[in-house]
Amino acid sequence: AQTVTQSQPEMSVQEAETVTLSCTYDTSESDYYLFWYKQPPSRQMILVIRQEAYKQQNATENRFSVNFQKAAKSFSLKISDSQLGDAAMYFCAYRDIYTGANSKLTFGKGITLSVRP
Amino acid sequence: DTEVTQTPKHLVMGMTNKKSLKCEQHMGHRAMYWYKQKAKKPPELMFVYSYEKLSINESVPSRFSPECPNSSLLNLHLHALQPEDSALYLCASSQVLRLNTEAFFGQGTRLTVV
Repeated sequence: AQTVTQSQPEMSVQEAETVTLSCTYDTSESDYYLFWYKQPPSRQMILVIRQEAYKQQNATENRFSVNFQKAAKSFSLKISDSQLGDAAMYFCAYRDIYTGANSKLTFGKGITLSVRP
Repeated sequence: DTEVTQTPKHLVMGMTNKKSLKCEQHMGHRAMYWYKQKAKKPPELMFVYSYEKLSINESVPSRFSPECPNSSLLNLHLHALQPEDSALYLCASSQVLRLNTEAFFGQGTRLTVV
């Protein structure tokens, strides 16, 4: 079974600074997808960034980028120029590509990010 | 339209009540999900519907009964719940075949069982 580990329960960053959130996972599959979701106090889970395991290039979305290390099974999220609106709980998630209609997301425990003004 | 709409936003129910949670999407997604989330915890998968058929039931107690009447709607019927069932219930939808695409989540229903 796949597992996703986020070992840091909380982190804090100064506004405009850069912060990195860690995530490791375990799978026996060679192809899969990885995601970072953000959940602000408004409760809605919002996709931040996705990475296909077969792609060598690290995904980027504006101020958000990932460091995907497939051999090490590591998938960290870097937030540059942190803004107050980035304060939220962040979940790392894994999805297997082989289960078709039975595919499901496996979430890590999440990390609470606070941004200091 | 990239929204998943859940109603109601908040629900308080007694242990003998029967209530339903509703979820609606118009993105043409044929996979729909129910998750349960406790405070400061990740979502826990409850049910997956694929092409309106139940494809995953994560050993959820029978007091939770899902229903997918059509490709846009997903319901969760609640009966004889326990106080420990109080949680945020999230609905999500996604494409079935393009698994690298995101799952879209609703804002959830905050359920309190008294």
